[in-house]
Amino acid sequence: QKEVEQDPGPLSVPEGAIVSLNCTYSNSAFQYFMWYRQYSRKGPELLMYTYSSGNKEDGRFTAQVDKSSKYISLFIRDSQPSDSATYLCAMRGSPGGTSYGKLTFGQGTILTVHP
Amino acid sequence: KAGVTQTPRYLIKTRGQQVTLSCSPISGHRSVSWYQQTPGQGLQFLFEYFSETQRNKGNFPGRFSGRQFSNSRSEMNVSTLELGDSALYLCASSRGRDNSPLHFGNGTRLTVT
Repeated sequence: QKEVEQDPGPLSVPEGAIVSLNCTYSNSAFQYFMWYRQYSRKGPELLMYTYSSGNKEDGRFTAQVDKSSKYISLFIRDSQPSDSATYLCAMRGSPGGTSYGKLTFGQGTILTVHP
Repeated sequence: KAGVTQTPRYLIKTRGQQVTLSCSPISGHRSVSWYQQTPGQGLQFLFEYFSETQRNKGNFPGRFSGRQFSNSRSEMNVSTLELGDSALYLCASSRGRDNSPLHFGNGTRLTVT
């Protein structure tokens, strides 16, 4: 079983829709959670970085963390065609732990927003 | 502020050869990490360097090695290339001392024929 599971999709939505992307994890040592967006032929771009359980909002993006359920989500409101990309969840442990120095990624979800 | 710079962007090598990839981190960042991205395995951690010392290592064979210089720039070397080494190699940098996030470069696309 992989430490991080992410639905690979693909996910296709109309412009303006609310998109929900999700990851589950099994390693309790994971304490820091990130969402990256990756366009074709580009490196991953950091979208959100969270630590605490709860919600964090940045513009049209909301990251949600539920450590008790080992579940994280990314919501995209008013989705745009420019949001079409692969979305990757990533996580790591606390400083000093063995899982701090590396990110463990989900497989990525391919999102297409059509006009 | 300039981002993470990786060179070259594309490489084509033959089985058995070796290759060196280069990464320049964001100014002020002292940690550099390397990841391999393939369609089948996704993003997998290779190793992390901080202040010229390897701080973490992933589960890759010894053919994969790296180093970091005093200016925080890093190189990754793969010896005796195999077809399965074809991948996008990504470098990421961070401040490294706190819980700062990682920022990635656009990668080097390595094709082994």
